[in-house]
Amino acid sequence: GENVEQHPSTLSVQEGDSAVIKCTYSDSASNYFPWYKQELGKGPQLIIDIRSNVGEKKDQRIAVTLNKTAKHFSLHITETQPEDSAVYFCAATETSYDKVIFGPGTSLSVIP
Amino acid sequence: DTGVSQNPRHKITKRGQNVTFRCDPISEHNRLYWYRQTLGQGPEFLTYFQNEAQLEKSRLLSDRFSAERPKGSFSTLEIQRTEQGDSAMYLCASSQSGQPNEKLFFGSGTQLSVL
Repeated sequence: GENVEQHPSTLSVQEGDSAVIKCTYSDSASNYFPWYKQELGKGPQLIIDIRSNVGEKKDQRIAVTLNKTAKHFSLHITETQPEDSAVYFCAATETSYDKVIFGPGTSLSVIP
Repeated sequence: DTGVSQNPRHKITKRGQNVTFRCDPISEHNRLYWYRQTLGQGPEFLTYFQNEAQLEKSRLLSDRFSAERPKGSFSTLEIQRTEQGDSAMYLCASSQSGQPNEKLFFGSGTQLSVL
Protein backbone atom coordinates (compact mmCIF):
# COMPACT_ATOMS: atom_id res chain seq x y z
CA GLY A 1 0.00 0.00 0.00
CA GLU A 2 0.83 3.67 -0.10
CA ASN A 3 3.42 5.08 2.35
CA VAL A 4 3.93 8.81 2.87
CA GLU A 5 6.98 10.30 4.55
CA GLN A 6 7.28 13.92 5.66
CA HIS A 7 10.12 16.22 6.73
CA PRO A 8 10.92 18.01 8.92
CA SER A 9 8.92 16.82 11.91
CA THR A 10 9.24 20.24 13.54
CA LEU A 11 9.89 23.62 11.98
CA SER A 12 10.35 27.01 13.61
CA VAL A 13 10.45 30.22 11.58
CA GLN A 14 10.37 33.93 12.26
CA GLU A 15 7.20 35.77 11.36
CA GLY A 16 7.41 36.93 7.75
CA ASP A 17 9.84 34.21 6.68
CA SER A 18 8.94 31.28 4.42
CA ALA A 19 8.33 27.70 5.50
CA VAL A 20 8.81 24.61 3.36
CA ILE A 21 7.60 21.09 4.15
CA LYS A 22 8.60 18.16 1.97
CA CYS A 23 6.94 14.80 1.42
CA THR A 24 7.58 11.64 -0.54
CA TYR A 25 5.18 8.88 -1.51
CA SER A 26 5.71 5.30 -2.58
CA ASP A 27 2.83 4.36 -4.88
CA SER A 28 3.42 5.70 -8.38
CA ALA A 29 -0.28 5.20 -9.11
CA SER A 30 -1.32 7.81 -6.53
CA ASN A 31 -2.74 10.85 -8.29
CA TYR A 32 -4.13 13.19 -5.65
CA PHE A 33 -2.10 14.99 -2.96
CA PRO A 34 -3.93 17.08 -0.36
CA TRP A 35 -2.42 19.09 2.49
CA TYR A 36 -4.18 19.44 5.83
CA LYS A 37 -3.69 21.84 8.73
CA GLN A 38 -4.59 20.70 12.24
CA GLU A 39 -4.92 23.09 15.13
CA LEU A 40 -4.97 21.95 18.74
CA GLY A 41 -8.20 20.19 19.65
CA LYS A 42 -9.54 20.21 16.10
CA GLY A 43 -9.72 17.83 13.20
CA PRO A 44 -7.52 18.27 10.12
CA GLN A 45 -8.69 20.92 7.67
CA LEU A 46 -7.89 20.81 3.96
CA ILE A 47 -5.86 23.87 2.93
CA ILE A 48 -4.75 23.03 -0.60
CA ASP A 49 -4.50 20.04 -2.91
CA ILE A 50 -2.86 19.12 -6.19
CA ARG A 51 -3.56 16.48 -8.79
CA SER A 52 -0.92 14.53 -10.68
CA ASN A 53 -1.61 16.28 -13.98
CA VAL A 54 -0.44 19.59 -12.46
CA GLY A 55 3.09 20.52 -11.37
CA GLU A 56 2.32 23.52 -9.20
CA LYS A 57 -0.66 25.23 -7.59
CA LYS A 58 -0.86 28.46 -5.63
CA ASP A 59 -3.47 29.94 -3.32
CA GLN A 60 -2.50 33.29 -1.82
CA ARG A 61 0.44 32.62 0.52
CA ILE A 62 0.36 28.85 0.05
CA ALA A 63 1.80 26.90 -2.87
CA VAL A 64 2.32 23.22 -3.57
CA THR A 65 4.68 21.61 -6.06
CA LEU A 66 4.67 18.04 -7.34
CA ASN A 67 7.45 16.03 -8.97
CA LYS A 68 5.82 12.80 -10.16
CA THR A 69 9.05 11.32 -11.47
CA ALA A 70 10.76 11.63 -8.11
CA LYS A 71 7.52 11.06 -6.16
CA HIS A 72 8.11 14.24 -4.17
CA PHE A 73 5.72 17.03 -3.28
CA SER A 74 6.16 20.13 -1.16
CA LEU A 75 4.20 22.82 0.65
CA HIS A 76 5.48 26.40 0.63
CA ILE A 77 4.09 29.06 2.95
CA THR A 78 5.31 32.60 2.34
CA GLU A 79 5.10 35.62 4.67
CA THR A 80 4.30 33.39 7.61
CA GLN A 81 2.05 34.68 10.38
CA PRO A 82 1.58 33.47 13.97
CA GLU A 83 -1.81 32.00 13.01
CA ASP A 84 0.01 29.66 10.61
CA SER A 85 1.34 27.81 13.67
CA ALA A 86 -0.18 24.32 13.58
CA VAL A 87 0.56 20.74 12.54
CA TYR A 88 0.59 20.22 8.78
CA PHE A 89 -0.01 16.85 7.15
CA CYS A 90 0.68 15.86 3.58
CA ALA A 91 -1.28 12.97 2.14
CA ALA A 92 -1.72 10.86 -0.95
CA THR A 93 -4.64 8.92 -2.32
CA GLU A 94 -4.52 5.21 -2.96
CA THR A 95 -6.31 5.22 -6.26
CA SER A 96 -7.72 1.72 -5.87
CA TYR A 97 -9.96 2.77 -2.98
CA ASP A 98 -9.75 6.57 -2.95
CA LYS A 99 -8.74 6.54 0.71
CA VAL A 100 -6.32 9.20 1.88
CA ILE A 101 -3.01 8.10 3.45
CA PHE A 102 -1.38 10.69 5.70
CA GLY A 103 2.21 11.52 6.48
CA PRO A 104 3.36 11.80 10.11
CA GLY A 105 3.01 15.58 10.25
CA THR A 106 5.14 18.71 10.68
CA SER A 107 4.67 20.96 13.69
CA LEU A 108 5.17 24.53 12.48
CA SER A 109 5.83 27.33 14.94
CA VAL A 110 5.87 30.93 13.72
CA ILE A 111 7.69 33.19 16.16
CA PRO A 112 6.35 36.76 16.33
CA ASP B 1 -25.13 22.47 7.77
CA THR B 2 -22.37 23.01 10.29
CA GLY B 3 -20.01 20.28 9.12
CA VAL B 4 -19.07 16.86 10.47
CA SER B 5 -20.20 16.34 14.06
CA GLN B 6 -18.71 13.79 16.46
CA ASN B 7 -19.93 12.78 19.90
CA PRO B 8 -18.77 12.56 22.56
CA ARG B 9 -15.73 14.86 22.37
CA HIS B 10 -14.03 13.02 25.20
CA LYS B 11 -14.49 9.54 26.63
CA ILE B 12 -12.70 8.05 29.62
CA THR B 13 -13.24 4.37 30.26
CA LYS B 14 -11.74 1.51 32.17
CA ARG B 15 -9.94 -1.30 30.44
CA GLY B 16 -12.31 -4.03 29.39
CA GLN B 17 -15.34 -1.78 28.97
CA ASN B 18 -17.14 -1.22 25.67
CA VAL B 19 -17.41 2.24 24.12
CA THR B 20 -19.39 3.64 21.19
CA PHE B 21 -18.76 6.83 19.25
CA ARG B 22 -21.11 8.59 16.86
CA CYS B 23 -20.42 10.58 13.71
CA ASP B 24 -22.90 12.72 11.80
CA PRO B 25 -21.47 13.58 8.37
CA ILE B 26 -22.27 16.54 6.16
CA SER B 27 -25.79 15.76 5.01
CA GLU B 28 -25.21 15.49 1.27
CA HIS B 29 -22.03 13.41 1.60
CA ASN B 30 -22.35 9.73 0.76
CA ARG B 31 -18.89 8.63 1.90
CA LEU B 32 -17.90 8.38 5.55
CA TYR B 33 -14.44 7.53 6.90
CA TRP B 34 -13.06 6.62 10.31
CA TYR B 35 -9.44 7.40 11.18
CA ARG B 36 -7.42 6.96 14.36
CA GLN B 37 -4.75 9.44 15.44
CA THR B 38 -2.22 9.02 18.24
CA LEU B 39 -0.11 11.82 19.65
CA GLY B 40 2.49 13.07 17.20
CA GLN B 41 1.25 10.93 14.34
CA GLY B 42 -0.86 11.42 11.27
CA PRO B 43 -4.36 10.00 11.03
CA GLU B 44 -4.42 6.27 10.25
CA PHE B 45 -7.21 4.91 8.06
CA LEU B 46 -9.56 2.45 9.78
CA THR B 47 -12.58 1.97 7.53
CA TYR B 48 -14.96 3.70 5.17
CA PHE B 49 -18.55 3.53 3.95
CA GLN B 50 -20.22 4.50 0.75
CA ASN B 51 -23.84 5.01 1.72
CA GLU B 52 -24.57 2.09 4.07
CA ALA B 53 -22.00 -0.28 2.57
CA GLN B 54 -18.70 -0.76 4.37
CA LEU B 55 -16.24 -0.94 1.49
CA GLU B 56 -12.90 -1.40 3.20
CA LYS B 57 -11.46 -2.18 6.59
CA SER B 58 -7.84 -1.65 7.58
CA ARG B 59 -5.79 -4.41 9.14
CA LEU B 60 -5.54 -2.02 12.10
CA LEU B 61 -9.20 -2.70 12.78
CA SER B 62 -9.17 -5.76 15.03
CA ASP B 63 -12.26 -7.87 15.62
CA ARG B 64 -12.94 -5.81 18.75
CA PHE B 65 -13.82 -2.88 16.49
CA SER B 66 -17.05 -2.64 14.56
CA ALA B 67 -18.51 0.20 12.56
CA GLU B 68 -21.97 0.66 11.17
CA ARG B 69 -23.75 3.18 9.04
CA PRO B 70 -27.43 2.26 9.03
CA LYS B 71 -29.47 3.98 6.33
CA GLY B 72 -26.36 5.66 5.00
CA SER B 73 -26.58 8.62 7.38
CA PHE B 74 -24.81 8.74 10.74
CA SER B 75 -22.20 6.14 11.70
CA THR B 76 -21.17 4.49 14.94
CA LEU B 77 -17.81 3.00 15.87
CA GLU B 78 -17.82 0.51 18.73
CA ILE B 79 -14.79 -0.82 20.55
CA GLN B 80 -15.37 -3.88 22.69
CA ARG B 81 -13.17 -4.92 25.61
CA THR B 82 -11.08 -1.77 25.39
CA GLU B 83 -7.34 -1.93 25.93
CA GLN B 84 -4.94 0.82 26.92
CA GLY B 85 -3.51 0.74 23.40
CA ASP B 86 -6.88 1.89 22.10
CA SER B 87 -6.32 5.31 23.65
CA ALA B 88 -6.29 7.75 20.75
CA MET B 89 -8.26 10.40 18.92
CA TYR B 90 -10.90 8.85 16.68
CA LEU B 91 -11.65 11.05 13.70
CA CYS B 92 -14.56 10.88 11.32
CA ALA B 93 -14.57 12.44 7.87
CA SER B 94 -17.08 12.64 5.05
CA SER B 95 -16.96 13.35 1.35
CA GLN B 96 -19.09 13.27 -1.76
CA SER B 97 -18.12 10.66 -4.31
CA GLY B 98 -18.97 10.90 -7.96
CA GLN B 99 -15.74 12.58 -8.95
CA PRO B 100 -12.19 11.34 -8.48
CA ASN B 101 -10.32 12.24 -5.33
CA GLU B 102 -13.12 13.93 -3.44
CA LYS B 103 -12.13 16.23 -0.59
CA LEU B 104 -12.41 14.97 2.98
CA PHE B 105 -14.05 17.09 5.66
CA PHE B 106 -13.12 16.08 9.21
CA GLY B 107 -14.94 16.37 12.49
CA SER B 108 -13.19 17.45 15.69
CA GLY B 109 -12.79 13.87 16.85
CA THR B 110 -13.49 11.82 19.96
CA GLN B 111 -10.58 11.58 22.37
CA LEU B 112 -10.59 8.16 24.04
CA SER B 113 -8.61 7.48 27.20
CA VAL B 114 -8.53 3.90 28.48
CA LEU B 115 -7.38 3.63 32.09
